Amino acid sequence: QLQLQESGPGLVKPSETLSLTCTVSGGSISSSSYYWGWIRQPPGKGLEWIGSIYYSGSTYYNPSLKSRVTISVDTSKNQFSLKLSSVTAADTAVYYCARLQVGATTGPAFDIWGQGTMVTVSS
Amino acid sequence: QSALTQPRSVSGSPGQSVTISCTGTSSDVGGYNYVSWYQQHPGKAPKLMIYDVSKRPSGVPDRFSGSKSGNTASLTISGLQAEDEADYYCCSYAGSYKVFGGGTKLTVL
Repeated sequence: QLQLQESGPGLVKPSETLSLTCTVSGGSISSSSYYWGWIRQPPGKGLEWIGSIYYSGSTYYNPSLKSRVTISVDTSKNQFSLKLSSVTAADTAVYYCARLQVGATTGPAFDIWGQGTMVTVSS
Repeated sequence: QSALTQPRSVSGSPGQSVTISCTGTSSDVGGYNYVSWYQQHPGKAPKLMIYDVSKRPSGVPDRFSGSKSGNTASLTISGLQAEDEADYYCCSYAGSYKVFGGGTKLTVL
């Protein structure tokens, strides 16, 4: 059964770069039927899509975050990563990684999620 | 990109039906049949309940159904059960981008 697990620092200083990794187990990140994505949720607020990546490295980013976001993939480690630069307190959130199904006969939907990791931006 | 519009809260008694709306624009909800719905219990990760407007993943009860008319998608939960109490989020494809709704808190009275 496919599982996703986020990892990375739980505390980041303002103006620094937030870095998280999502490890995929129980399946290959190189499947042609899926993208892989990052979504975040500030405390007490709703979900926000950050961006998605294909195993080939093709990426799509939320326009509101695009200037600060980089998502990359390492197929040899079955991992994909998120970097968010110049963080402020507004970037404090639970960060989820998720699998995005994009089959030939199905539209995009996040069908498997990691448990999420809380990242706090504070000095 | 603006978040899709959902009611902040809805409620219903056990056994009743409730409908949660999700309003967007012709650039997202109205432009594609790619609306998905997620259920989130407190402290848990979201769970996919509906995709492609009205399709249910394996294991999701048929009490959950989805539909769309114009720029508004809807999630209907029939035969409400206590465990349905949760936050619900819609999400739409918007031409390579994804946009979520603000979320709706469902209370089972």
